[in-house]
Amino acid sequence: QVQLVQSGTEVKKPGSSVKVSCTDFGGTFSSYAFNWVRQAPGQGVEWMGRISPFLGVTTYAAKFQGRVSLTADKATTTVYMELSGLRSDDTAVYFCARGTTVITALAHWGQGTLVTVSS
Amino acid sequence: VLTQSPGTLSLSPGESAALSCRASQSLSHSFLAWYQQRPGQAPRLLIYGTSTRATGIPDRFSGSGSGTDFTLTISRLEPEDFAVYYCQQYGNSPAVTFGGGTNVEIK
Repeated sequence: QVQLVQSGTEVKKPGSSVKVSCTDFGGTFSSYAFNWVRQAPGQGVEWMGRISPFLGVTTYAAKFQGRVSLTADKATTTVYMELSGLRSDDTAVYFCARGTTVITALAHWGQGTLVTVSS
Repeated sequence: VLTQSPGTLSLSPGESAALSCRASQSLSHSFLAWYQQRPGQAPRLLIYGTSTRATGIPDRFSGSGSGTDFTLTISRLEPEDFAVYYCQQYGNSPAVTFGGGTNVEIK
């Protein structure tokens, strides 16, 4: 059974950074591209970027370019999303998600990680 | 850019829903997906490739469309279908785009 398990709730100060992890249990880690999607309170979902651990390729949404970094650790089947220069409007639930070996749409999602940015 | 309409759809259980997703440029039909999100949960994949239901999705959900106009149809709304729905394109460029969402609420 596929499970993406994310790290826990974070509270951060403006200007700091946050690093959220997502561990893939039950899949062939290097076969997939892992995406990060966020959702501010009461708002829609917003794609941030993706990483392909096998290819070592990252793609970022223009809005987050230069502020977000996606990395992967094949040994622990974990991907990481680090967001720097945090502002209050970065307060959101952050999700990791991936497809399958035959579906590139986001078939599997983590449970979400709430990041609150507050002074 | 993906534009979803209407923003909110008020319907009763048993009725049918038609949700629209319009793209600012023509999309490959292979890369249009729909997701359902219930409060407090992660989105769930319903449809990919415009019209293919994901594993375990009931056949009252169907997707159609091509070019710039796509539709998610939900026939015979069940109580658990009242949720927010997002369309997504994932193949027109390296980037991925979500629509703004349609809230299907109980009338």
